[in-house]
Amino acid sequence: QSALTQPPSASGSPGQSVTISCTGTSSDVGGYNYVSWYQQHPAKAPKLIIYEVSKRPSGVPDRFSGSKSGNTASLTVSGLQAEDEADYYCSSYAGSYWVFGGGTKLTVL
Amino acid sequence: QITLKESGPTLVKPTQTLTLTCSFSGFSLSSTGVAVAWIRQPPGKALEWLALIYWDDDKRYRPSLKSRLTITKDTSKNQVVLTMTNMDPVDTATYYCARKGAVTDAAFDYWGQGTLVTVSS
Repeated sequence: QSALTQPPSASGSPGQSVTISCTGTSSDVGGYNYVSWYQQHPAKAPKLIIYEVSKRPSGVPDRFSGSKSGNTASLTVSGLQAEDEADYYCSSYAGSYWVFGGGTKLTVL
Repeated sequence: QITLKESGPTLVKPTQTLTLTCSFSGFSLSSTGVAVAWIRQPPGKALEWLALIYWDDDKRYRPSLKSRLTITKDTSKNQVVLTMTNMDPVDTATYYCARKGAVTDAAFDYWGQGTLVTVSS
């Protein structure tokens, strides 16, 4: 069960948009519409921000959006704000277990 | 209000068995579609899914750790227990329990605060 591949880092200036990719295989990302994204601030528990590829839980700003094409999912953060600086993890259902990505550290310049 | 909280030892010796308890409130693990998972995070590293137990007692495990893991539930006590045998220093991590909701399918919508477990002699 290999981890999903994410870029280690991403950055953008306040107000800009940034997209984080998450690449898996046809056995996980490509095989199910069960990709989720989590935001984690330092020393805090992860927070669900996207589920089922593109759905947002109640209370998550619509600045966060998700999509998927083939074996690659993407998280886009629009209108970057200082509080968006955090680690972001993707996750996918893989048939009988779940797999996470290696995480991306998002820096707001 | 949904809450989850992990409890267990903060320090275990190599080869020992780790037992962690997730105590939760605000939802029932007998509700269709609901599950509780264990996810860990070594210091400075990524999240790693370990195990999950469904409302109907179906259990799923990380394939590479399946022989070392056991997950059980006590619905009446609102608790889920994870045991991991033959602990090794590489198992040092913050261990989280999290709920998989019925609506947010295949995603973990509520998390505990995590508990740091150090494996050292």
